[in-house]
Amino acid sequence: DTAVSQTPKYLVTQMGNDKSIKCEQNLGHDTMYWYKQDSKKFLKIMFSYNNKELIINETVPNRFSPKSPDKAHLNLHINSLELGDSAVYFCASSHGTSGGEETQYFGPGTRLLVL
Amino acid sequence: AQKVTQAQTEISVVEKEDVTLDCVYETRDTTYYLFWYKQPPSGELVFLIRRNSFDEQNEISGRYSWNFQKSTSSFNFTITASQVVDSAVYFCALSGGFGGGKLIFGQGTELSVKP
Repeated sequence: DTAVSQTPKYLVTQMGNDKSIKCEQNLGHDTMYWYKQDSKKFLKIMFSYNNKELIINETVPNRFSPKSPDKAHLNLHINSLELGDSAVYFCASSHGTSGGEETQYFGPGTRLLVL
Repeated sequence: AQKVTQAQTEISVVEKEDVTLDCVYETRDTTYYLFWYKQPPSGELVFLIRRNSFDEQNEISGRYSWNFQKSTSSFNFTITASQVVDSAVYFCALSGGFGGGKLIFGQGTELSVKP
């Protein structure tokens, strides 16, 4: 009964490749997010979608493109991977965005290693 | 600017000791929300508590308690009678009307509880 799931859990790839991470939530939430956790464990938001519409787009390179086919899914596609993209990527979801009062529930994370 | 500071990078205690994790935040919003998340060694992010800016009542949940003080912009977390299973990285986070629901995380405090 996983609430927020991500695939794959681990991703090892070469520089320059293109890769995707998938996220699905079965909580019936309207809003989904992508966060990046760097090697120092610092967590920073990248994107959020509310009902398939982009709400937040932080200063993330254009090589990162989120796609939300429906409100239960938010995928992250990364083009031309660079060494600095190595991190743990977390998907999260919440009921809404409003004023930020909704609790965000996180997936297990995808550990990306770019060689 | 919105900011969360967890000044304690690492804390090490012996089992059964009480430990307090500090969190100081900055925001210009009058309505905002504070959160604590736990990240155990397995890597997932586990929601612990949410507090809104209008509710300064302390909260207790088992061995966990939280002290919210607007006067000092702090939202501290205390674990009573710590256990080895409490070993994790703990994150304090802030959200509010400023960002469409995005969470601003502190740097995290790594707690190590030794037997």
